[in-house]
Formats: sequence, C-alpha cells, structure tokens
Amino acid sequence: NAGVTQTPKFQVLKTGQSMTLQCAQDMNHNSMYWYRQDPGMGLRLIYYSASEGTTDKGEVPNGYNVSRLNKREFSLRLESAAPSQTSVYFCASSLRGGGEGTEAFFGQGTRLTVV
Amino acid sequence: EDKVVQSPLSLVVHEGDTVTLNCSYEVTNFRSLLWYKQEKKAPTFLFMLTSSGIEKKSGRLSSILDKKELFSILNITATQTGDSAIYLCAVGRFRIIQGAQKLVFGQGTRLTINP
Repeated sequence: NAGVTQTPKFQVLKTGQSMTLQCAQDMNHNSMYWYRQDPGMGLRLIYYSASEGTTDKGEVPNGYNVSRLNKREFSLRLESAAPSQTSVYFCASSLRGGGEGTEAFFGQGTRLTVV
Repeated sequence: EDKVVQSPLSLVVHEGDTVTLNCSYEVTNFRSLLWYKQEKKAPTFLFMLTSSGIEKKSGRLSSILDKKELFSILNITATQTGDSAIYLCAVGRFRIIQGAQKLVFGQGTRLTINP
C-alpha cells in the first residue's frame, strides 16, 4: 500500500517563485492536512481539509493556499516563496475527525529550501 | 492558546536503560492524545489515548494519559539502538462544526540510545 504520497521530495526555489506541493492518499480517508516542521518547533498545521470540498486554516496559513481536488488529493501552493518558508512539509490524512480512526498517517515529506 | 510541551527535549541513554518521556498540554476541546515516532522522515503512529488511567502497550513501549493533571508519559523499557528517534506528542481537538480533528504537536523529544 502506498499510503500518503508526496511530490516532490526535494525542491529549491528562488525568492518570489511559486510552486505546488502535491499529496495523494489511497486509504479512502476523509480528512487531509498540511504541516511544516522546523527545528525545535515540532509540527505546525498550515491548512487542513475535513472532507472533500472543505478547507480551513491551521496555525500558520499565511503565504499558502490549498486545494482539495478530490477525496484523494490535497495540494499546497506557495504563490511567492520567501526564505521563511524553508522547511520540511508533511502531508497527512486521517479516516475521520473524531474517535477511533483519528490517527493521522504521514507522507515522507518535502524538503523545501528558498534562497 | 493551545499548548503542548514535551520534556526532556533531548535524552541520551545506554542500551538496556528504561526511559520516560513526558507530554503536558493545555488544549481546549480535548479529544485525544497521540504519540508518534519520527526516525529519518515521516512520523509513524504509536498510540492514541482518549481515557485517563488506561495504559496502552505495544511490546516494550507503553503510554498512559492523566486527563485531570493534563499529561501523558511514554515509557520505553530495555531500550535498543533502533529506538533512537524523535518522539512527538500531539493532542487532538474536536471541532464540532466541521468534525475535523486538528492535531497540536509538541516540540518533540530527541532520544539517542548508545550501544
């Protein structure tokens, strides 16, 4: 089983460039999430999608946009990359929002460097 | 503001030792507490705790939640070098309107097991 697949794995951008991080899950999960991980700060939620057709902001949404394309896919877009967005980005999915089956499963991450 | 604090931030022990990792939280609409292990890349799920006083166990790892004192511990007995990783604690908040569980992560504990 592929689980949660993210592309690309690595990316270097120049300041001001744009890019889209792709994420797909094959577990028929309802909820999907985008996190960033910076040294000493754990994982911080950027955006999430409770179900197909809905998206909402997390802790650190500024500078990002998302699209829940269908149940499987949830993309994260940086419109104008800034050095502060240098980070490791993780996509995750969970079956539903509460109770059993709420644990999130993570993709392998995208290491993004903005120069 | 929701807060999840892990301690210690870093721990170095010898193979065979027993370790206890701590996680305290202040979160509104608490739903669950989750533990993840992160080695090279993606965090992998260990436990989800929703009720106080009920220990969850998997091999040499165990965890328990105290909802009155707002903390959880993760114990690892007879540690092995393969236990070296970052251990992340996350608290799930139940959001009634959309039903999505947003995870708030702690900073993580970096555990190193020396042979």
